[in-house]
Amino acid sequence: KNQVEQSPQSLIILEGKNCTLQCNYTVSPFSNLRWYKQDTGRGPVSLTIMTFSENTKSNGRYTATLDADTKQSSLHITASQLSDSASYICVVSTLTGGGNKLTFGTGTQLKVEL
Amino acid sequence: DGGITQSPKYLFRKEGQNVTLSCEQNLNHDAMYWYRQDPGQGLRLIYYSQIVNDFQKGDIAEGYSVSREKKESFPLTVTSAQKNPTAFYLCASSITAANYGYTFGSGTRLTVV
Repeated sequence: KNQVEQSPQSLIILEGKNCTLQCNYTVSPFSNLRWYKQDTGRGPVSLTIMTFSENTKSNGRYTATLDADTKQSSLHITASQLSDSASYICVVSTLTGGGNKLTFGTGTQLKVEL
Repeated sequence: DGGITQSPKYLFRKEGQNVTLSCEQNLNHDAMYWYRQDPGQGLRLIYYSQIVNDFQKGDIAEGYSVSREKKESFPLTVTSAQKNPTAFYLCASSITAANYGYTFGSGTRLTVV
C-alpha cells in the first residue's frame, strides 16, 4: 500500500531558529515528491517539487532534500519567521495511465513563537 | 490575476440535503480535482477530470457527484448519500493530468447542522 509518513506530527520553535521536517514514503513507482505549506483554513501552496534525479531543491529559506534510495525526504526551514507557522505536507506522486496519482502525508504542524 | 476560486468559503447542510460547491479556474488548465481533508488525515481524492465532459472517480467518490461542462468549472455536489460530509473540501487544477504543478483553491468548509 502506498503510504507517506511525516514526523514530527507537531513542532514548536522560537523565531529565528532552524528546523527540519521528515517524510518517509513507500510509494512506488516514484514520479516526484512535493512539499506544500498550508495555512489554517487555506489551500496548500507548493514549496518544492523534486523528481527522481534531484536530491536537493531550495525555495528561499526552504530547502528540500530527497534520497530516492532510502525513500526519505526532509524540509529544512532556515531562520524561521512567525509567518512560517502552518502545516507542511509531503506529497508523493506516481504516474499512471490516468495522470499523476498523489499520496498525501498527514502533515507536520509547525508553530513559530517569539 | 490567474487563479482558482472556490465558493462559498463556509457552507452548512441540513440532513438529507444536497449541496453544491463551486470551483472555477482561469488558468486554462485541462485537469481539475476535488479533495477532501479531515483532521489527522491526508487529503483524499474524490473525483478528477482530465478534459471537458469527462471525469473519473477517485478513492472516496461515494455520495458525491461532479460535472465538467466547461473547462473553467468543476462543481462538486455532496448528496444526501454522503453520511459524513463535514470536512474541508479543496479543489485543484493542473495544466494536464501528467503535469507536476497543482494549484489549489482556498477551500470550502462544509458543516452538517
